[in-house]
Amino acid sequence: LAKTTQPISMDSYEGQEVNITCSHNNIATNDYITWYQQFPSQGPRFIIQGYKTKVTNEVASLFIPADRKSSTLSLPRVSLSDTAVYYCLGSRGGSYIPTFGRGTSLIVHP
Amino acid sequence: SQTIHQWPATLVQPVGSPLSLECTVEGTSNPNLYWYRQAAGRGLQLLFYSVGIGQISSEVPQNLSASRPQDRQFILSSKKLLLSDSGFYLCAWIRGGSLGLGELFFGEGSRLTVL
Repeated sequence: LAKTTQPISMDSYEGQEVNITCSHNNIATNDYITWYQQFPSQGPRFIIQGYKTKVTNEVASLFIPADRKSSTLSLPRVSLSDTAVYYCLGSRGGSYIPTFGRGTSLIVHP
Repeated sequence: SQTIHQWPATLVQPVGSPLSLECTVEGTSNPNLYWYRQAAGRGLQLLFYSVGIGQISSEVPQNLSASRPQDRQFILSSKKLLLSDSGFYLCAWIRGGSLGLGELFFGEGSRLTVL
C-alpha cells in the first residue's frame, strides 16, 4: 500500500473552497485513493474514491494527476459542519489492509 | 442493509483487568474485519484484521488479542490491561473477496479508559 503524507492541519472560512492534498509517491499501479472524514468520537466515513483524473460526487471532488503521486480532495463551499479530520488512504483490491495516517484536521471558521 | 455494531460503547477498567470488546456485522457474509485504536488526538492505528473465521493477522505486537469465532463476529481481548491501552476502539468491515474497490464501514466505537 502507498504511504501517504498530508498536512497536519488547515483553516478555512465558511463558503470557501478547501483543497487538501495528499502525497503518495510510492503508489502502486493497482492502488486506488480513498478519502475519509472523521468527526470526534465517531468512526471515519467514506467520502470519495478514485484511480485517476477527476471524480465528483455530491459532497466532494477528487483530483488525481496523471503520475498519480498525489491527490487533492476538494470541498466546495465548506460550512462549520465540515470541521473534521480528513484522511487519504491507498487501497488495493484483494488483500485489503487499510492504514490510516495522522490525517488533516480542517477547522472551518464562521 | 448492512450494519455493524460494537459494544460496550464506554467502559472504565482498572489496570490489570481483562477486556472484551465485541463487534458484529449484519447483512453481509464473509466480510474482512478490522480493529483500530485511536489514542487521544492521534490517527487510527490498525491493530488486527481478519479475512475469515479463525484467521487473525496482527499489525502491532502488544498485550491485545483478537478472535473471530463466527463469520460476522470479531472480538478484541486482553488478559491484563495497561494504562496505554486507553483509547477509542473502532471495528470496521469491508466486503471480502473484492478484487476492486471498497469502502470501510465503521462501528460506533468503544471508548476505553484504563485507570
